[in-house]
Amino acid sequence: NAGVMQNPRHLVRRRGQEARLRCSPMKGHSHVYWYRQLPEEGLKFMVYLQKENIIDESGMPKERFSAEFPKEGPSILRIQQVVRGDSAAYFCASSPPGNVLFFGSGTQLSVL
Amino acid sequence: DAKTTQPNSMESNEEEPVHLPCNHSTISGTDYIHWYRQLPSQGPEYVIHGLTSNVNNRMASLAIAEDRKSSTLILHRATLRDAAVYYCISPNFGNEKLTFGTGTRLTIIP
Repeated sequence: NAGVMQNPRHLVRRRGQEARLRCSPMKGHSHVYWYRQLPEEGLKFMVYLQKENIIDESGMPKERFSAEFPKEGPSILRIQQVVRGDSAAYFCASSPPGNVLFFGSGTQLSVL
Repeated sequence: DAKTTQPNSMESNEEEPVHLPCNHSTISGTDYIHWYRQLPSQGPEYVIHGLTSNVNNRMASLAIAEDRKSSTLILHRATLRDAAVYYCISPNFGNEKLTFGTGTRLTIIP
């Protein structure tokens, strides 16, 4: 049973471009979470999704950021018009309902 | 979520037991205590969780105080691979997201 798969592992974007981060949850997991970790800081919750539904987006910046978890395919975290402050490690986690979280290895986003 | 308090850092010698403390004085009766750890350049990894009684698994043991206001993660024999940041988390019952604090950075001395 493969773990949570995130790709790409590293993503470089120039200011103003779009970044799309993908997360394939573990088989059988219907809940997906996205977290962001700035350099030398802790993990910050961004959004919690179930299939086709956003359950909690209280940690998402109000502009430029969006997330989806379609019926088929991976969850996508989309950042439009990236700025240098978006440079961070983005981690995805999945879980069955009411259970522990399993994290992916993350995507390191660098904005030039 | 219950507020948790952990030391910023700890050191331990290799092959010795490690006791990582966590205070969660505002915990309510139905809130679990979770421990995760994050190795360098990796995502967090589940370690253990419990409610009232002590818990053991292949990675660690969790000792929960009788009043549940504190707990201790026990690594029975630390190895260099246990060097990581350890997070103690106590989400409100029914809250499926986890809020990570700053954790305890554990350094293992060879």
